[in-house]
Amino acid sequence: SQQGEEDPQALSIQEGENATMNCSYKTSINNLQWYRQNSGRGLVHLILIRSNEREKHSGRLRVTLDTSKKSSSLLITASRAADTASYFCATDAISDYKLSFGAGTTVTVRA
Amino acid sequence: DVKVTQSSRYLVKRTGEKVFLECVQDMDHENMFWYRQDPGLGLRLIYFSYDVKMKEKGDIPEGYSVSREKKERFSLILESASTNQTSMYLCASSRSSYIEQYFGPGTRLTVT
Repeated sequence: SQQGEEDPQALSIQEGENATMNCSYKTSINNLQWYRQNSGRGLVHLILIRSNEREKHSGRLRVTLDTSKKSSSLLITASRAADTASYFCATDAISDYKLSFGAGTTVTVRA
Repeated sequence: DVKVTQSSRYLVKRTGEKVFLECVQDMDHENMFWYRQDPGLGLRLIYFSYDVKMKEKGDIPEGYSVSREKKERFSLILESASTNQTSMYLCASSRSSYIEQYFGPGTRLTVT
């Protein structure tokens, strides 16, 4: 079951600009995570935010969580060519035992 | 660093063949997972295992089986491959809980 949905589906930005993508989900969650997938490779865990947290930072990444709106955003600041990838949100619902992934946002950073 | 390896990056099989996809992790993780990834559908869980010889069905187990005889190894078996099983298959592992999963590089399987 696909719990999370990312928006937009695709994003193209200039190097140095910020990239923002959003994730909406349907049921109450314990945690929300963001993963990155470079073309044709496996996913890499980026950051986890718990349901009682509102904002979290990791390097150039900033994640926010609004449980009242059942949504999260991932901001990548000062983007680089190496940030070109697909980004997925993953939730673990209170009523479930497994992660549910969205379809992803594809980010292209132009030099 | 956690390392999850998968036996093949690319695989081409014929319809009806029995296919084995192997996954090995080197961090003594309890949990291991098999997903398939298709465009527009994200990742869908096929099976997961929380201990040796233990397995649980995920969202789309039909047409697949799994085996976990050793803690570090989790195999996905396509009993009789069909063209609709053409996909990217991703293996993952995690420590005591199912969050923060570590993924292998994936196997792109084509069934002709």
